[in-house]
Amino acid sequence: EVQLVESGGGLVQPGGSLRLSCAASGFTFSSYWMSWVRQAPGKGLEWVANIKQDGSEKYYVDSVKGRFTISRDNAKNSLYLQMNSLRAEDTAVYYCARETGPFDPWGQGTLVTVSS
Amino acid sequence: QPVLTQPPSSSASPGESARLTCTLPSDINVGSYNIYWYQQKPGSPPRYLLYYYSDSDKGQGSGVPSRFSGSKDASANTGILLISGLQSEDEADYYCMIWPSNAWVFGGGTKLTVL
Repeated sequence: EVQLVESGGGLVQPGGSLRLSCAASGFTFSSYWMSWVRQAPGKGLEWVANIKQDGSEKYYVDSVKGRFTISRDNAKNSLYLQMNSLRAEDTAVYYCARETGPFDPWGQGTLVTVSS
Repeated sequence: QPVLTQPPSSSASPGESARLTCTLPSDINVGSYNIYWYQQKPGSPPRYLLYYYSDSDKGQGSGVPSRFSGSKDASANTGILLISGLQSEDEADYYCMIWPSNAWVFGGGTKLTVL
């Protein structure tokens, strides 16, 4: 069964940092682009970043450029999102997703709350 | 990044059809892109439904009923998700998505109510 499990969310103060992880199983992780997508409470979906199979290409939404870094470890079947200089508006559920053209599947998400 | 416009809400009765739209900005031609559609129910992650490029290039997500279909209205620069034979379980939020240039973009979502 293809599965994605996010972890690392929590409460962090504005200006702080957090590292999210996404553990993949049930498929050849190194063969797929991977993405992070977030959803603020009661709001819609916002794509955050994605990364190529070998990590050689990365793209970000403008609002996180220079603050967030996406990375992966194919040996550990894991995807990461390092989030620095966090702001209140970064508060959201963060999902990781496999790119097969569409995003499919999605993980269950991990909640990040930025508040003092 | 461009904005994809979806009506915030739509409603229809069981057994009827629902036509959900996703309008692209005028500088992006709908005919040039795959339009991806997702369904999200409260408390769950989004679920991939289908993509539509043309009648000869389209795809259905695994296990997605054929009641869900996609199309485009080039004159309106719009992608369309059609749900026929509405069921109560179709009540959910629906999102469109495209890759215009080095970034994925989602529409704001449409909340579909099955009356």
